[in-house]
Formats: sequence, structure tokens, C-alpha cells
Amino acid sequence: TQLLEQSPQFLSIQEGENLTVYCNSSSVFSSLQWYRQEPGEGPVLLVTVVTGGEVKKLKRLTFQFGDARKDSSLHITAAQPGDTGLYLCAGATGFQKLVFGTGTRLLVSP
Amino acid sequence: GAGVSQTPSNKVTEKGKYVELRCDPISGHTALYWYRQSLGQGPEFLIYFQGTGAADDSGLPNDRFFAVRPEGSVSTLKIQRTERGDSAVYLCASSTGQGASEAFFGQGTRLTVV
Repeated sequence: TQLLEQSPQFLSIQEGENLTVYCNSSSVFSSLQWYRQEPGEGPVLLVTVVTGGEVKKLKRLTFQFGDARKDSSLHITAAQPGDTGLYLCAGATGFQKLVFGTGTRLLVSP
Repeated sequence: GAGVSQTPSNKVTEKGKYVELRCDPISGHTALYWYRQSLGQGPEFLIYFQGTGAADDSGLPNDRFFAVRPEGSVSTLKIQRTERGDSAVYLCASSTGQGASEAFFGQGTRLTVV
């Protein structure tokens, strides 16, 4: 069974603070994706990382894929209230089955 | 349509009844996924189709759950003898199924078993 554990499960911070969300597994994935989900909506893709050690930046968000392709992190700089939501990592196997992490709920207060 | 469409958006059913949940994927997407999501949790994998065939149905919790995709497009998730524990949001997603392709999600069907 492939499990993706995210930490922390819940994070409440003030606007302007930095934060990091972790996604860890004992399994190796061919790629790892990060999604953001708002209430009543399906998850929306933020980024896909494929190569071990890869770092991708999306404005104030920085994503890193571990060298062994088993873990990943999401770092947000100067968080804003609009960043509030449920952040999900998802690992893909060779046959494109996506396995989702346990989720991190982020609340950014003004 | 432009995105993944799921119907109904909400379904309330009595314990023991049979329900069907429908998913219309993005046109041309060969891969289709069903997930179940409880409040505040990550989506739990149920089944994955590549074309008409179920490539992986290891996430279906028991034999009350069944899904079909007869023509490789629309899929139906069927739940027999529903139980209160089946209450959740059922999400459908589709992708091109090639490489590290993005999965596009529908808004989900909220199933409540009373």
C-alpha cells in the first residue's frame, strides 16, 4: 500500500508569515503533484515534479522533490489570506494511478 | 463540455438503497479516476480506468461498490445496499493518461446516507 503522509495536518498563521508543508512516503513515485482544494470544489493542480531533486517555483510557492523521489515539500513565502485552503500532494505510479496524501489545511488570517 | 462534470451534485438516500453516480470526463481523456473524500481529508483512491477497462480497482472498499465505463467515456459508480459509512464526497477526475499528466477534477457528488 502506498501511503503519503503530510505534515502538519493543520496550520493557522498570520498574513506575511512563511510556512512549509511536507509530504513523505516510503514508496518511490514516477512523479509527484501538488493540488489545492477549496470547499465545495475539486482539487486543482499547482505543480508537477518529475526529477529527483527538482525545485519548481510558482510565484511565492516553492516545490521540491526529494532526491529519492519519495518525499516533497511546499514552501510558501509571505502567505496571504488567498492562500487559505486544503493542500494535497499526490504521487503517481508508472500506470498513472494517483495516490493522495492526507492533506494539510492552511488558514491565513489578515 | 469544458471540464469534468459529475451528477448529481448532491444525493440523499436511505440506508440499504442503491445509488448511481455519474461522471462525464473531458473529451478525449483516456484515464478516469474515482476517489472518495471525507471532510478535511485527502481523496481516497477507489478505481482507475484506462479506456474501457479498470486498470486498478484495488481501492473499492467491498463488493457493494462497482464502476463501469462501457464506451471509454462516461463512467458510473454504483453502490448497492448503501450504509451510513458510505456518506462522503465522491470525486471523479480525468487525464490524458500520458506521462505525468494533470488530473482534472469534477466538483464531486456529496452522498448522504440516512
